[in-house]
Amino acid sequence: GEDVEQSLFLSVREGDSSVINCTYTDSSSTYLYWYKQEPGAGLQLLTYIFSNMDMKQDQRLTVLLNKKDKHLSLRIADTQTGDSAIYFCAEHYGNNRLAFGKGNQVVVIP
Amino acid sequence: EPEVTQTPSHQVTQMGQEVILRCVPISNHLYFYWYRQILGQKVEFLVSFYNNEISEKSEIFDDQFSVERPDGSNFTLKIRSTKLEDSAMYFCASSETGREGYTFGSGTRLTVV
Repeated sequence: GEDVEQSLFLSVREGDSSVINCTYTDSSSTYLYWYKQEPGAGLQLLTYIFSNMDMKQDQRLTVLLNKKDKHLSLRIADTQTGDSAIYFCAEHYGNNRLAFGKGNQVVVIP
Repeated sequence: EPEVTQTPSHQVTQMGQEVILRCVPISNHLYFYWYRQILGQKVEFLVSFYNNEISEKSEIFDDQFSVERPDGSNFTLKIRSTKLEDSAMYFCASSETGREGYTFGSGTRLTVV
């Protein structure tokens, strides 16, 4: 099946930028997503990128997509304590399903 | 902002019992999903539902599982005879188009003892 890989843990100082990386396997994926999960909460859609784009910026979030390497990244500028969470990348595949990575825990140090 | 509502937030059940997890998707959404997350593992797709029928299901979604949209607003997941390994967080999601991202509920934590 589809396999989405993420590194597990990132610690960052408040105000710095954080970058989370992800690799995916299905080159025919049309949409790729970043979700955020705060403790005890559900999955919150942060942003998504269509596969014909290289970059998408949305306020403090920048998504970069390298289709050749099947690599997706999320940059959070001016990281704040409220950004502490687990971040999941996901790819859309098949008829109508998402494949998620294991998630990357981001801890923001004040 | 519209949200997907799931009840209960936590359910404890004995092995072999039937459970029904409930979800109220966003009202104008047409696509509905169930995912689960076993503690420490990836979020896994279970099933998608569109136009009152299952459109896709994973290998996990065996005969013990069923979904229903009984009344046009609720979307339920039934596990007929729960096993210990069914213990997980179950997330419901809905989507307007099935593409530009899904809205997830806060999940139901199912504990089978």
